[in-house]
Amino acid sequence: AQKVTQAQTEISVVEKEDVTLDCVYETRDTTYYLFWYKQPPSGELVFLIRRNSFDEQNEISGRYSWNFQKSTSSFNFTITASQVVDSAVYFCALWVYAGNNRKLIWGLGTSLAVNP
Amino acid sequence: NAGVTQTPKFRILKIGQSMTLQCTQDMNHNYMYWYRQDPGMGLKLIYYSVGAGITDKGEVPNGYNVSRSTTEDFPLRLELAAPSQTSVYFCAALADPGFDQPQHFGDGTRLSIL
Repeated sequence: AQKVTQAQTEISVVEKEDVTLDCVYETRDTTYYLFWYKQPPSGELVFLIRRNSFDEQNEISGRYSWNFQKSTSSFNFTITASQVVDSAVYFCALWVYAGNNRKLIWGLGTSLAVNP
Repeated sequence: NAGVTQTPKFRILKIGQSMTLQCTQDMNHNYMYWYRQDPGMGLKLIYYSVGAGITDKGEVPNGYNVSRSTTEDFPLRLELAAPSQTSVYFCAALADPGFDQPQHFGDGTRLSIL
């Protein structure tokens, strides 16, 4: 079975704190992709990152960083020096190849509140 | 670049009415998806399409229909609207991530059934 678990439903931090959002996935596929999306209060879904199963290098983009560990089936997302504008719901997703079909398996999301 | 365009952005329907949510993409992506997102919840897949003429059911297809006559368009039809279909609907046009192309969602359609 393919599944994405985001165990943290809600996180609240104070501005400038670092925060890590956890994502654990399950798949039997050897080729897969992992995504993070951000959904700010305005409601749109914003693509943040895509990572394939063969690339375990950590990635950093400004204050955002991602740690991909196949050994623990995790793809965690860290925001350094959080800002109020980071307040949003963050979704982790797994792209699967199901026969001829292609689809994203979504986690339930983590709601992050960054307080001034 | 428009990406994915959803119309309308907001709609109120009466119980039993029908309507079509439009979704158009200009990126020539093969894969298109319809999701619904209930308040405070994640995304649930309604229907998806891996190419023109091919559609398949997702997790929650009941009460909906889709068609994919062209690569660009993937309309979602609600027949006999029910209050349980009150939700925000997102359309997505995705490329195979192996080709390193952007993944786009529309801005959503907020639908209320009263």
